[in-house]
Amino acid sequence: DAGITQSPRHKVTETGTPVTLRCHQTENHRYMYWYRQDPGHGLRLIHYSYGVKDTDKGEVSDGYSVSRSKTEDFLLTLESATSSQTSVYFCAISEITGGEAFFGQGTRLTVV
Amino acid sequence: KQEVTQIPAALSVPEGENLVLNCSFTDSAIYNLQWFRQDPGKGLTSLLLIQSSQREQTSGRLNASLDKSSGRSTLYIAASQPGDSATYLCAVPMYSSGTYKYIFGTGTRLKVLA
Repeated sequence: DAGITQSPRHKVTETGTPVTLRCHQTENHRYMYWYRQDPGHGLRLIHYSYGVKDTDKGEVSDGYSVSRSKTEDFLLTLESATSSQTSVYFCAISEITGGEAFFGQGTRLTVV
Repeated sequence: KQEVTQIPAALSVPEGENLVLNCSFTDSAIYNLQWFRQDPGKGLTSLLLIQSSQREQTSGRLNASLDKSSGRSTLYIAASQPGDSATYLCAVPMYSSGTYKYIFGTGTRLKVLA
């Protein structure tokens, strides 16, 4: 299995609080992605990174920000969590753009 | 805009049956196509990656085919087992702003009955 660790694995937070999810990889892959998975919507891209300090928005980026200060870490921040951000969040990596993607185990986030 | 569809959404078969899962995409100019398996509460596990120049890719009891002209890929599972029960997703990379992003189908939930 690809070395991808997401933390925390589960989190319950209150509306309006900031939340940061972490993705850590040991594969030295250049590309990293954050997806959310919701019933009826499947997997949707939030943000992605194509190198250290190089990030861009995906399909559903409103309310989220990201940072990548090291190759191995990609952080997803919800500045002020809302109930609509209750979801399962997945991190993915790929060595080359469009290459085989590998996923982490996911973080289940509940905003109450 | 690339759209990926998987039909049926759910499938239930008896153990030992050979089965085919379908994945359709609207833009035939794809770079590759990847099949994943997802167990309940778990992440996605990569099963097969089939390049745009390939027609088939095999791994054990799994065989993925690709027909770009018709916008279809199929995942064939031979001699299905209860352990194959999971959701199967396909994904296609879509190119924009200098990078490929993966577009996913909503998956087929497979149940293999013992």
